Amino acid sequence: NAGVMQNPRHLVRRRGQEARLRCSPMKGHSHVYWYRQLPEEGLKFMVYLQKENIIDESGMPKERFSAEFPKEGPSILRIQQVVRGDSAAYFCASSSRLAGKTYEQYFGPGTRLTVT
Amino acid sequence: DAKTTQPNSMESNEEEPVHLPCNHSTISGTDYIHWYRQLPSQGPEYVIHGLTSNVNNRMASLAIAEDRKSSTLILHRATLRDAAVYYCILSQTTSGTYKYIFGTGTRLKVLA
Repeated sequence: NAGVMQNPRHLVRRRGQEARLRCSPMKGHSHVYWYRQLPEEGLKFMVYLQKENIIDESGMPKERFSAEFPKEGPSILRIQQVVRGDSAAYFCASSSRLAGKTYEQYFGPGTRLTVT
Repeated sequence: DAKTTQPNSMESNEEEPVHLPCNHSTISGTDYIHWYRQLPSQGPEYVIHGLTSNVNNRMASLAIAEDRKSSTLILHRATLRDAAVYYCILSQTTSGTYKYIFGTGTRLKVLA
């Protein structure tokens, strides 16, 4: 039973380029979350998506960042015109969820983005 | 958002119990308390979670204060593989959303 998969694991981009980070949730999970982790810091929530819907994007920067979770295929976190400050580890998590219950989030191994 | 406060680092001897504290004085009635740990260059790994009552699983125990303003993760016998950053997290379920609020975590060092 495969866990959460993220690719690429490492991504190097020059300033001004676009970065696309992919996340395949665990089988049967329809909820996806993206978090960002700067060096020596805890993870910061960015966005929460269900299939074809953005539920909460309160942690997403207002510009250059977008996320989607289409009906078919992985969730994508897209960063346009990257800057050095975008260098970080980006983690995706997935969960299943039933009304009135809470289910733990399972995290992927992360994508480490380096902007040169 | 409710916050958690943890000591930056702790040390333990191998095969001894470890008590990792967490303060969450602004917790709301519907916030769950989760613990995750993160090894270097890996994603966080689920350890345990609870709401009001103490919880046990094969990895650890979670003791929650009666007023829910603090909790303690208990590793009964620390091993070298338990060396990691441990995060105490509140999950908020408001307005249909469900997200984790991470603190800065406690770096646990286990001495052989």
